[in-house]
Amino acid sequence: GNSVTQMEGPVTLSEEAFLTINCTYTATGYPSLFWYVQYPGEGLQLLLKATKADDKGSNKGFEATYRKETTSFHLEKGSVQVSDSAVYFCALNPKETSGSRLTFGEGTQLTVNP
Amino acid sequence: EPEVTQTPSHQVTQMGQEVILRCVPISNHLYFYWYRQILGQKVEFLVSFYNNEISEKSEIFDDQFSVERPDGSNFTLKIRSTKLEDSAMYFCASSVGAPSYNEQFFGPGTRLTVL
Repeated sequence: GNSVTQMEGPVTLSEEAFLTINCTYTATGYPSLFWYVQYPGEGLQLLLKATKADDKGSNKGFEATYRKETTSFHLEKGSVQVSDSAVYFCALNPKETSGSRLTFGEGTQLTVNP
Repeated sequence: EPEVTQTPSHQVTQMGQEVILRCVPISNHLYFYWYRQILGQKVEFLVSFYNNEISEKSEIFDDQFSVERPDGSNFTLKIRSTKLEDSAMYFCASSVGAPSYNEQFFGPGTRLTVL
């Protein structure tokens, strides 16, 4: 079956530090890959996505590249801000099937200190 | 900006009671979903709904669960006889088109506590 594995958290960084949150996946075929973010008290928001191998998704300074050879979709940001403190979820959608469901990773709590 | 809303934000109930969780999807969206997250665990898919019927459901979504779109705006999840293990955060989501190619927009969640 499909699965997503994220690096264990929580992650605590100082402002302007470099961020990497690892995500690897298991899926048949060529799924679409997503990063969702959840700010305190809010719902899950799509941060970025990639729908095919070697695509790079980017938004708000965050980037992730769809690597089929390593089945990975690691999230990176060059310089984090306090406002980036949130929970980050990696997810996949298997396009080949009915594709309704998103399969999520465990979520990684990020705290950025001033 | 349009958003998915959910009520209540927190529901406390006794084991064996029925609960109804309510969601108002984005108005022009056609596909609707429920997910849940047990504390400390992954967000899990429950069910998707399109054209007034269930299009996909997970193994979690057994006979105790049902979904309904009772009018043009609400989308509800009913749990007939709650168990302790139903305690979780329940997220509603919607998408404008087929889920394979369209973003799912999530609501803020309803925290269900079963005592």
